[in-house]
Amino acid sequence: EAGVAQSPRYKIIEKRQSVAFWCNPISGHATLYWYQQILGQGPKLLIQFQNNGVVDDSQLPKDRFSAERLKGVDSTLKIQPAKLEDSAVYLCASSRAATYYNEQFFGPGTRLTVL
Amino acid sequence: SQQGEEDPQALSIQEGENATMNCSYKTSINNLQWYRQNSGRGLVHLILIRSNEREKHSGRLRVTLDTSKKSSSLLITASRAADTASYFCATAWGGNQFYFGTGTSLTVIP
Repeated sequence: EAGVAQSPRYKIIEKRQSVAFWCNPISGHATLYWYQQILGQGPKLLIQFQNNGVVDDSQLPKDRFSAERLKGVDSTLKIQPAKLEDSAVYLCASSRAATYYNEQFFGPGTRLTVL
Repeated sequence: SQQGEEDPQALSIQEGENATMNCSYKTSINNLQWYRQNSGRGLVHLILIRSNEREKHSGRLRVTLDTSKKSSSLLITASRAADTASYFCATAWGGNQFYFGTGTSLTVIP
């Protein structure tokens, strides 16, 4: 089966600009996650969708970050405006169901550099 | 914070030796998962252990869980150069809360 797809793979922007990332999960996976991974740290969960509803967005900086999952499949994560501290790898993952016992499958990530 | 803390932060061993890394967490969990991350394959799930389990095996991997001490360990036996990567524990708790630890960087020297 095809894995989780993300684009773009790399993005360089200046602070205060806007940027958007796209994710296509594994077919049939109900749950989709966006993570932020700063260099040298573990991934931090930003938002979790089950189908097209938000399960958890407690760590999403809502003043500048937004995410949507249209029709319960693809998802986009947007940052507007970007700050220097947003430089990180943004990972998308999916799993079959949002239960306690689920394996997450990760995409290759988008490396964002904010200058 | 529920975030797990891995120990050691970095580990360097010779090929063929065993590697052990530990994870500690703060509150009760539903399960604990181990993931591996390297530049070639990204972040990959290795093994999941439920809160009512004490030990699980998968190939050369052995995971233990001690809920009384709020800790887990990952043992990689007969290590290979291809095992060089960062290893993260992740805890699932509450209503689908999920946190990754800070990671252990493993280097296996051929």
